[in-house]
Amino acid sequence: AQRVTQPEKLLSVFKGAPVELKCNYSYSGSPELFWYVQYSRQRLQLLLRHISRESIKGFTADLNKGETSFHLKKPFAQEEDSAMYYCALIPQGGTASKLTFGTGTRLQVTL
Amino acid sequence: ETGVTQSPTHLIKTRGQQVTLRCSSQSGHNTVSWYQQALGQGPQFIFQYYREEENGRGNFPPRFSGLQFPNYSSELNVNALELDDSALYLCASRVQGMGETQYFGPGTRLLVL
Repeated sequence: AQRVTQPEKLLSVFKGAPVELKCNYSYSGSPELFWYVQYSRQRLQLLLRHISRESIKGFTADLNKGETSFHLKKPFAQEEDSAMYYCALIPQGGTASKLTFGTGTRLQVTL
Repeated sequence: ETGVTQSPTHLIKTRGQQVTLRCSSQSGHNTVSWYQQALGQGPQFIFQYYREEENGRGNFPPRFSGLQFPNYSSELNVNALELDDSALYLCASRVQGMGETQYFGPGTRLLVL
């Protein structure tokens, strides 16, 4: 069975500092990986997915199959980045969109 | 375009009771998934419905069941409630075959006493 691990419950950074939210996964095949974000009082929403290779709100994430990691990065944190971030995966070839989520990391950006 | 809506927002039940949670999918979306999010945890996949049939299930017992209606609204039913069923229940909808981007509702918070 697949598993997603986010080792940090809370990450606190200063505004303008670089951000790296860690995500490691265990899965024997080639999963599809996502980052979801939940801002205060808002619903869970997709931030980015690895197959699109987009940069959203300045965030990027690279899939490292050797290290089975999908860390989320941003060079300069902004106050509005404060939120709960979840890493998630879908197994390769699955017929259902069975997202497996990590436990989440709360990012706190302070002045 | 309307987003995913869920009702009720909050609910309190006692152990052994049954509960029905409702979800209205985003317009045009034909696939709905349900997730359970316990406090301090990430969402856990319960099941998915497409064309009114369950076509994927997570590690949840049969007392968790669902329905999807022709208008793509859906229900999550939980029988014989247990204290550990206390959680936020999320539904998410998408268009089958259009990638895996799911749009989540705001959730229903269930408390079992």
